[in-house]
Amino acid sequence: EVQLVESGGVVVQPGGSLRLSCAASGFTFDDYTMHWVRQAPGKGLEWVSLISWDGGSTYYADSVKGRFTISRDNSKNSLYLQMNSLRTEDTALYYCAKDNGAPHPQYYFDYWGQGTLVTVSS
Amino acid sequence: SYELTQPPSVSVSPGQTARITCSGDALPKQYAYWYQQKPGQAPVLVIYKDSERPSGIPERFSGSSSGTTVTLTISGVQAEDEADYYCQSADSSGTYTVFGGGTKLTVL
Repeated sequence: EVQLVESGGVVVQPGGSLRLSCAASGFTFDDYTMHWVRQAPGKGLEWVSLISWDGGSTYYADSVKGRFTISRDNSKNSLYLQMNSLRTEDTALYYCAKDNGAPHPQYYFDYWGQGTLVTVSS
Repeated sequence: SYELTQPPSVSVSPGQTARITCSGDALPKQYAYWYQQKPGQAPVLVIYKDSERPSGIPERFSGSSSGTTVTLTISGVQAEDEADYYCQSADSSGTYTVFGGGTKLTVL
C-alpha cells in the first residue's frame, strides 16, 4: 500500500524558514517524480514544485521560485521542501504527491499524503 | 500565467447527471485530470488523460474533451459524490502544472 506521510508544519513568523518532510513507502520511491501541492484554508489547490526521480531536475511555481527548494533522499525514501522568506500568503496545507509516471513523469498525481499545515503569522 | 476556469458550484438531485466543465486555451494540446476532494480529506484522482478512469473509481464518473473545454460527468449522482472537484492540466509548453479553481458539487 502506497503511503505518503508529511511532517514539519508549524506556526512561523513572516520572513522565517521551515523544512517539510514526506516519508514514502509502498512503492519504489526512486523510480518516480514527486511533487508538493498546497491548499490555503478554504481555497483551491496550487501546485508548488516537482523533483525528478534522481533529483536532477526541479521546477517551481512562480509564487515560490527563489524562496523554496525541493530535494529528496532516495536512500531514505524521503522528499523535502525547504521554505525560506515565508510570507503570510504561504499559509496552507502542504501535500506531498506521487507522480503517476515512471521512468518519465506524467505530471499528474495518483497518490497524496494527508498534508501538513504551515501557518505564517506574527 | 495560464488559468483553468471552472464554475464555482453545481447542484443536482440524486440520480441526476452532473456535468462540471473546465476551460483553458491549452486543453486541445494537453491532457486534463480530475480530482475529487471531500472535506478534511486529500484529493483523489477520478479521471486521467481526459477520459480514463483509475481502478476503483465507479463507472458513473466519466470525462470528455472538446476543444478548449473538458467535462467531468457524473451519471446517477449519489449523496456520497458531494465534494469539491478540481481539474488539472499544463500550459501549452508543458512546463507548469495548474489547477482549476474548483467546483463544489451539491447533491440536493
